[in-house]
Amino acid sequence: GESVGLHLPTLSVQEGDNSIINCAYSNSASDYFIWYKQESGKGPQFIIDIRSNMDKRQGQRVTVLLNKTVKHLSLQIAATQPGDSAVYFCAENMRAAGNKLTFGGGTRVLVKP
Amino acid sequence: NAGVTQTPKFRILKIGQSMTLQCAQDMNHNYMYWYRQDPGMGLKLIYYSVGAGITDKGEVPNGYNVSRSTTEDFPLRLELAAPSQTSVYFCASSHRVDTEAFFGQGTRLTVV
Repeated sequence: GESVGLHLPTLSVQEGDNSIINCAYSNSASDYFIWYKQESGKGPQFIIDIRSNMDKRQGQRVTVLLNKTVKHLSLQIAATQPGDSAVYFCAENMRAAGNKLTFGGGTRVLVKP
Repeated sequence: NAGVTQTPKFRILKIGQSMTLQCAQDMNHNYMYWYRQDPGMGLKLIYYSVGAGITDKGEVPNGYNVSRSTTEDFPLRLELAAPSQTSVYFCASSHRVDTEAFFGQGTRLTVV
């Protein structure tokens, strides 16, 4: 299978528990942030986004928190399911830097039954 | 809906050969991106475009070239393939800078 996630930090979670994935972003002027999920052999898929004028946004079973003071982003997954096993990436965009969408390091989530 | 389509899905190149990775989107998106993902690693931005006729370098542009003659297409060119370019290449597009980017399924390139 694909080798995505072999060298990335791994979070092991019991099925049904909540998961928290953290991301430190690089630029304090970044104004848009996205969380992506990448399953083995596939391209990244959008999970949830947040703009810099917000500090929290909720979706279905997912919540993104943005702390601009410490340049930190987190993704919370409620009631983690086996289908949540994947590599998760945060990405940031900054208009002032030419609208480049750049990715941070990912985290591999393994859900244990 | 096709979304973002990348071709080919797999390719093996010999050192020094050239090739073009194709990327097309049918969503009328202005923004398009090329990333590479090395085994077990994250995505690195190679080139991006904010509209037809406009391209700019990302984090790792050396050894690659792009063009954006139409809104739909954003091909990535490798002129002299090197083993360091062995990777999975992803193309993405977005409507605006502050909306989600949609990704293709990737092109797995091996240079031997």
